[in-house]
Amino acid sequence: SAVISQKPSRDICQRGTSLTIQCQVDSQVTMMFWYRQQPGQSLTLIATANQGSEATYESGFVIDKFPISRPNLTFSTLTVSNMSPEDSSIYLCSVRQGSSYEQYFGPGTRLTVT
Amino acid sequence: GQQVMQIPQYQHVQEGEDFTTYCNSSTTLSNIQWYKQRPGGHPVFLIQLVKSGEVKKQKRLTFQFGEAKKNSSLHITATQTTDVGTYFCAERQAGTALIFGKGTTLSVSS
Repeated sequence: SAVISQKPSRDICQRGTSLTIQCQVDSQVTMMFWYRQQPGQSLTLIATANQGSEATYESGFVIDKFPISRPNLTFSTLTVSNMSPEDSSIYLCSVRQGSSYEQYFGPGTRLTVT
Repeated sequence: GQQVMQIPQYQHVQEGEDFTTYCNSSTTLSNIQWYKQRPGGHPVFLIQLVKSGEVKKQKRLTFQFGEAKKNSSLHITATQTTDVGTYFCAERQAGTALIFGKGTTLSVSS
């Protein structure tokens, strides 16, 4: 299994500002993903973080709004840019190792935009 | 994109009663995974089903994959308060991340 930590665990931000969320895994993983989960809702995939290349974004999510970095096999960041109240959500990092089909999730970052 | 549909959205049961959540797709699923998310927590993997008609059990939990691989179910026998949470089905598409259903939130009163 993989142990995932995220920083910060929560934050309250002003609209128009940006927040960078960090995801650290205790072992090298093949795939890393970023999800968003609004209160009481399901998880929506934002993007797949690719090591050494640009992230692959899902429909409705763009790099200018959610820039992602993945400098190595254990770390990734997601930035929520030019925030608005609609960005208030929980952001979760998720990983998959090698050929394993099981996905592990970080504890999430609870973001509130005022 | 494709999303599996889950019903019911909410279910409340008395402790000791059974509970079932269903996951349906209009297209054939390559696989189906089930996750549990406790209130305030993150999703935790329960199981993956791949074969047509597959049935797997984990203590009081029984997971089924339909013969046509278009539906799946999770059945909990004799619910306990520790079963509270949201149960998600999800499909893992080749080379990509999981795509989640909307989930079924289970509440249990003792």
